[in-house]
Amino acid sequence: ELKVEQNPLFLSMQEGKNYTIYCNYSTTSDRLYWYRQDPGKSLESLFVLLSNGAVKQEGRLMASLDTKARLSTLHITAAVHDLSATYFCARIQGAQKLVFGQGTRLTINP
Amino acid sequence: EPEVTQTPSHQVTQMGQEVILRCVPISNHLYFYWYRQILGQKVEFLVSFYNNEISEKSEIFDDQFSVERPDGSNFTLKIRSTKLEDSAMYFCASKGGIGPYEQYFGPGTRLTVT
Repeated sequence: ELKVEQNPLFLSMQEGKNYTIYCNYSTTSDRLYWYRQDPGKSLESLFVLLSNGAVKQEGRLMASLDTKARLSTLHITAAVHDLSATYFCARIQGAQKLVFGQGTRLTINP
Repeated sequence: EPEVTQTPSHQVTQMGQEVILRCVPISNHLYFYWYRQILGQKVEFLVSFYNNEISEKSEIFDDQFSVERPDGSNFTLKIRSTKLEDSAMYFCASKGGIGPYEQYFGPGTRLTVT
């Protein structure tokens, strides 16, 4: 059974700082996804990482995948308040289902 | 841009009542899913649906749950006799095909069982 674990689960940081969210998973699997969720809202797809060494960047967010270490990271550069949200990583198990991590609730303070 | 839609946005029901949550997936998508998220917790897979049948379901998806694609556009989740612990946000998702396609999520239906 695939397990996906994120850390930290809660992160409070100041604007302008850098930080990294970690996503570990237990078994080899295709594709890793990062989603953003604002309170009471749906899941917004941020990144899909398809293979070892994949790196994707969008604005202040950069995601990477190391399949040998079974690790993905989401790096936030020079955080701004608008990035406050809960971030989930997820992997596909079997043919279809997404298995999500617990989520990292990120709060960015002015 | 095409999107997944869900109705209602919020449903309040009494324990033991039946509820039907409705979803309209993106029109040319072939794979459909339901997930749920209990408040403050992670998103959990319930069921996947392809070619008019269930392709996978989780332990949560017991005999109280059923899914249907009654016509070419709607995808429904029925809970026959709701329990308090069914209170959650229910998300529908759809995917274009096999391969590294993303699952696109709808806005969710908040189900409150009293």
